[in-house]
Amino acid sequence: DTGVSQDPRHKITKRGQNVTFRCDPISEHNRLYWYRQTLGQGPEFLTYFQNEAQLEKSRLLSDRFSAERPKGSFSTLEIQRTEQGDSAMYLCASSLGTGGRTEAFFGQGTRLTVV
Amino acid sequence: SQELEQSPQSLIVQEGKNLTINCTSSKTLYGLYWYKQKYGEGLIFLMMLQKGGEEKSHEKITAKLDEKKQQSSLHITASQPSHAGIYLCGGDYYGNKLVFGAGTILRVKS
Repeated sequence: DTGVSQDPRHKITKRGQNVTFRCDPISEHNRLYWYRQTLGQGPEFLTYFQNEAQLEKSRLLSDRFSAERPKGSFSTLEIQRTEQGDSAMYLCASSLGTGGRTEAFFGQGTRLTVV
Repeated sequence: SQELEQSPQSLIVQEGKNLTINCTSSKTLYGLYWYKQKYGEGLIFLMMLQKGGEEKSHEKITAKLDEKKQQSSLHITASQPSHAGIYLCGGDYYGNKLVFGAGTILRVKS
């Protein structure tokens, strides 16, 4: 499989619970992005890694959200004390950054429903 | 986003007809990306445009970036049911991320 893989595809959780999502980027890609998408909207940027370094975080990423990419390969996104407003599609993307811009490839997303 | 406006928000076309989707930026773009999304799924990369005046084609889909790099159009020739979905433009503003428009929902009637 040469695409971006996300797990799980769907997650239903009760309000207040913690959830963790995983993203496996395309193997040679050094850049990894997390986005969030709500119904009827385009994806909104959450955070960006270059290798293992988290270089940018959106204001959307409150202190309940944390993302890691420990060895510069897969990444995890954790949401603590989930709220109903966290219900959304969480998308991961990866690209090869070599100084110029290259296309970012997206995974199938993780749909989170907080009940 | 406030930076990128897509139009129309949705459209329904008869199979075989041509159509155009527009993406207008409020500021100069470094690059413009087009993606397609099926409901509930991830984004499929279509094309990336970086140079003013650049035009790219893939099968029956053509995208252009105007000279001033503030507007892009996506044109589909002889639409087919397989073209149905949500088309998203993503703007690169010299940063590390893409800023997306709200998307255009395309339905193709057989």
